[in-house]
Amino acid sequence: EPEVTQTPSHQVTQMGQEVILRCVPISNHLYFYWYRQILGQKVEFLVSFYNNEISEKSEIFDDQFSVERPDGSNFTLKIRSTKLEDSAMYFCASTPNYGYTFGSGTRLTVV
Amino acid sequence: AQSVTQLDSHVSVSEGTPVLLRCNYSSSYSPSLFWYVQHPNKGLQLLLKYTSAATLVKGINGFEAEFKKSETSFHLTKPSAHMSDAAEYFCVVSEDYGGSQGNLIFGKGTKLSVKP
Repeated sequence: EPEVTQTPSHQVTQMGQEVILRCVPISNHLYFYWYRQILGQKVEFLVSFYNNEISEKSEIFDDQFSVERPDGSNFTLKIRSTKLEDSAMYFCASTPNYGYTFGSGTRLTVV
Repeated sequence: AQSVTQLDSHVSVSEGTPVLLRCNYSSSYSPSLFWYVQHPNKGLQLLLKYTSAATLVKGINGFEAEFKKSETSFHLTKPSAHMSDAAEYFCVVSEDYGGSQGNLIFGKGTKLSVKP
């Protein structure tokens, strides 16, 4: 069964550093998403991406965040200057039109 | 605005006994409803979904859920718990439009423990 692949599975970074979280969505899917889950809290929507542009973003997705689909297969989430409160599990998801498939997540720890 | 309330943060059952995980939703439109499971250090796996067809929905691993519009509920059940069911379960709603799926709104999750 096709999978959404996320790398790395765990990343530790120092506060203020830039991080890039990588995702390979399922190849024929058209819509791409990032969600995050802070430890002990709800899974929250960050951003959706369709047709090479952001289609919707939450209030969490401020100027320090950006997304890209640089080469037609990868879908990346960049956090420019990480803060302690960015520590969370980040999930990538994709869908052809209906029915999400989630990746296994990247656990980001900011120290 | 849509929202999801999972009424129990933690449920503990004995192996072989029934499981009930409760979920209430609030939605302006006809929602799509889902249950996802997350095993430790794993991703989110879809258990089942309701999309305005049959109100009793069967999912994987023997789980099922019933959509009750009058009660705005979508409780998850399983007749007999197995040790491998121990995980966190999320009730999720999306509001779909134009035939496309909307963004997902997650409940806070219910941690299911299964005792031998």
